[in-house]
Amino acid sequence: KQEVTQIPAALSVPEGENLVLNCSFTDSAIYNLQWFRQDPGKGLTSLLLIQSSQREQTSGRLNASLDKSSGRSTLYIAASQPGDSATYLCADKLNSGYSTLTFGKGTMLLVSP
Amino acid sequence: NAGVMQNPRHLVRRRGQEARLRCSPMKGHSHVYWYRQLPEEGLKFMVYLQKENIIDESGMPKERFSAEFPKEGPSILRIQQVVRGDSAAYFCASSPGTGTGQEKLFFGSGTQLSVL
Repeated sequence: KQEVTQIPAALSVPEGENLVLNCSFTDSAIYNLQWFRQDPGKGLTSLLLIQSSQREQTSGRLNASLDKSSGRSTLYIAASQPGDSATYLCADKLNSGYSTLTFGKGTMLLVSP
Repeated sequence: NAGVMQNPRHLVRRRGQEARLRCSPMKGHSHVYWYRQLPEEGLKFMVYLQKENIIDESGMPKERFSAEFPKEGPSILRIQQVVRGDSAAYFCASSPGTGTGQEKLFFGSGTQLSVL
């Protein structure tokens, strides 16, 4: 059974800092991995999707890396802003075909001005 | 193009009542997924449907829970005789397909179910 763990559970940083969120998964035979952002009372927004054949994906100030062999992914946020405050979730998918994702519990990020 | 629409946003039920949660996928999406987020837990897969068919319901409790996605209209997640442990946020997601490049999920804002 696939398990996804996110560390830390919560993180508080001052504005402008670069930060790294960690995600680990027990079954390294994943098909892809996604990072989502969840704002209170709102749904999930997909930030980055990394296919198993890729090592990283970048979007603006966000960079996600994937190391299948070690069962790890990281989300790097450069020059953090208060608007980045949210819960960040990683989720992986084991097979091609339909998307039954396995989610971690998330990292709650607070960026203070 | 509206996103995935879920309603109601908040639903309060007393124990023993029925809860009906609705989800309209994004335009052009024929694949719908329901996930549940219990307090302090990650999202858990419940059921995957295509139009008029349940494809995978392995994450849905066998009793009291049912889901449908009719040819016309929204997908419905139905919980009969609700209990306090059903209190959670229920999220719907849709995708245009399942092939590479089509499997990205788009999530709705969720329905927060509270059982008194």
